[in-house]
Amino acid sequence: NAGVMQNPRHLVRRRGQEARLRCSPMKGHSHVYWYRQLPEEGLKFMVYLQKENIIDESGMPKERFSAEFPKEGPSILRIQQVVRGDSAAYFCASSPDGKTATNEKLFFGSGTQLSVL
Amino acid sequence: KQEVTQIPAALSVPEGENLVLNCSFTDSAIYNLQWFRQDPGKGLTSLLLIQSSQREQTSGRLNASLDKSSGRSTLYIAASQPGDSATYLCAVCNYGQNFVFGPGTRLSVLP
Repeated sequence: NAGVMQNPRHLVRRRGQEARLRCSPMKGHSHVYWYRQLPEEGLKFMVYLQKENIIDESGMPKERFSAEFPKEGPSILRIQQVVRGDSAAYFCASSPDGKTATNEKLFFGSGTQLSVL
Repeated sequence: KQEVTQIPAALSVPEGENLVLNCSFTDSAIYNLQWFRQDPGKGLTSLLLIQSSQREQTSGRLNASLDKSSGRSTLYIAASQPGDSATYLCAVCNYGQNFVFGPGTRLSVLP
């Protein structure tokens, strides 16, 4: 039973390029969360998605960032025109059926370390 | 707006000691609280989840308590081992289903 899979593990981009981060949730999980961890800071919530729906994007920057979770395939976090301040570790988590408000643990992937040169 | 703090920021102890990590949150209207472990360069592993109606949870050498009214949780680690060295994160789930994380406590257990 594979866990949450994120790729790539490391991504290097130059300023102005686009970054695409992928997350495949655990089998049977249909809810995905993206978090960002800046150096020496805690994890900050970005967006919560179900299949084909964005449930909560209150943590997403207003510009350049977007996320999707299509019916088929992984969830994608897309950052356009990256800047150095986007350098961080981006973590994806999944849960089954969105019951995190009751008694379900969050399962995290190993993260994607984005470095912007 | 929920805010989560953790003290100490870093802790270094000799092997075998019992230790306590602290987590505080400002909004007591939480649904549950989780403690996670994060190893360098890796993702998070959920250690314990405490529902808002519970007082504590135990798993092996770990015991987590929750005092919702005072906005506090503690993670107790008994007989610490070098393999326990990691960053420990506390996260609270509000009714909006989003987890708010604390900054973590970096634990080093010296052999």
